[in-house]
Amino acid sequence: GQNIDQPTEMTATEGAIVQINCTYQTSGFNGLFWYQQHAGEAPTFLSYNVLDGLEEKGRFSSFLSRSKGYSYLLLKELQMKDSASYLCASMDSNYQLIWGAGTKLIIKP
Amino acid sequence: DVKVTQSSRYLVKRTGEKVFLECVQDMDHENMFWYRQDPGLGLRLIYFSYDVKMKEKGDIPEGYSVSREKKERFSLILESASTNQTSMYLCASSFWFYEQYFGPGTRLTVT
Repeated sequence: GQNIDQPTEMTATEGAIVQINCTYQTSGFNGLFWYQQHAGEAPTFLSYNVLDGLEEKGRFSSFLSRSKGYSYLLLKELQMKDSASYLCASMDSNYQLIWGAGTKLIIKP
Repeated sequence: DVKVTQSSRYLVKRTGEKVFLECVQDMDHENMFWYRQDPGLGLRLIYFSYDVKMKEKGDIPEGYSVSREKKERFSLILESASTNQTSMYLCASSFWFYEQYFGPGTRLTVT
């Protein structure tokens, strides 16, 4: 079956670094997406990885290992506004997104 | 600026009513999607459409239907609303299979 696993909740301190992990099992693979969703709002696109390695975009970076079925989102210099849920989604061979349940990130001062 | 709009942010309906949720995008995207989002579960795909008048079932189509008469508009229809359809409904659009752009969501309560 197809499955995405990510932690339910994480807590971090303002100014620190946090890594949110995601493991996936999908029928075929056409890339891994990360979205951010603030409470009561729509998800917004953060990153897309289809090749192994690290993609950096400002304070946010995303890593992919296709052989391990593993990705992580790295957030640096955490700010209070980074408090949100982070959704991992794998695109399968039919170009359909399989979504994880999301990781709620709580930032403390 | 990219924009996806949904007809209502909040909706309360009675069991058995027919419910229409409308979604409009202004980005000329071919692909449009309807999801529902429930606590502790990932986004679940109800239906999607790759073109006008074209529709494909997602993972949980039972109890729902869709309509896409114009490229910019994708409607979700609950034929006879039931309490287990109480949920957040999210519409999204995309150019081919690149990132999806989401509307603000409709929180539907069926009593």
